Amino acid sequence: QKEVEQNSGPLSVPEGAIASLNCTYSDRVSQSFFWYRQYSGKSPELIMSIYSNGDKEDGRFTAQLNKASQYVSLLIRDSQPSDSATYLCAADTGRRALTFGSGTRLQVQP
Amino acid sequence: SAVISQKPSRDICQRGTSLTIQCQVDSQVTMMFWYRQQPGQSLTLIATANQGSEATYESGFVIDKFPISRPNLTFSTLTVSNMSPEDSSIYLCSVGGDSSGANVLTFGAGSRLTVL
Repeated sequence: QKEVEQNSGPLSVPEGAIASLNCTYSDRVSQSFFWYRQYSGKSPELIMSIYSNGDKEDGRFTAQLNKASQYVSLLIRDSQPSDSATYLCAADTGRRALTFGSGTRLQVQP
Repeated sequence: SAVISQKPSRDICQRGTSLTIQCQVDSQVTMMFWYRQQPGQSLTLIATANQGSEATYESGFVIDKFPISRPNLTFSTLTVSNMSPEDSSIYLCSVGGDSSGANVLTFGAGSRLTVL
């Protein structure tokens, strides 16, 4: 079983809609979770981190964590074509490096 | 966050040769990591580069194939040895940790290797 799992997509949403990206993890030791955005041909860039149960908002982005269900999500409000990218969910499983999911490709249709 | 310079940005290599990728950070960092991203795939950790000691390799990666140096707290190299087409990939250097101590990773721009 993969430690961090995501649907590969593509997830297609119209411009202005809410995009919902989901991630599950298997290692209950994980305490910290991250969402990275990766444009084609570019390296990943951090957009959100979350460490506690509940929601964390930053601009149009909201990260949600439910440790009991081992579930992390990212909501993107008012989606823009520039949000089209692959979104990688990552967990700190205590090895001091991050374990990444396979990524979900998001397409925002103008 | 730290600024990471990685080179080469891309290269085309012949089967059986070796290539060394360099990673330079603009500040001293404790944790440096090397990841691989094969075409269409996510990031896989190759090893943790430890300053002053041997790198710590993940399952499936060995020192003979991916020797790593870490001579100081701002620099590391990854060598891909005896390359085959299966080694065609993007290799990413990353550094960890932020002011809060959380393990946030910052990535270099990556080195895209194509092995013919």
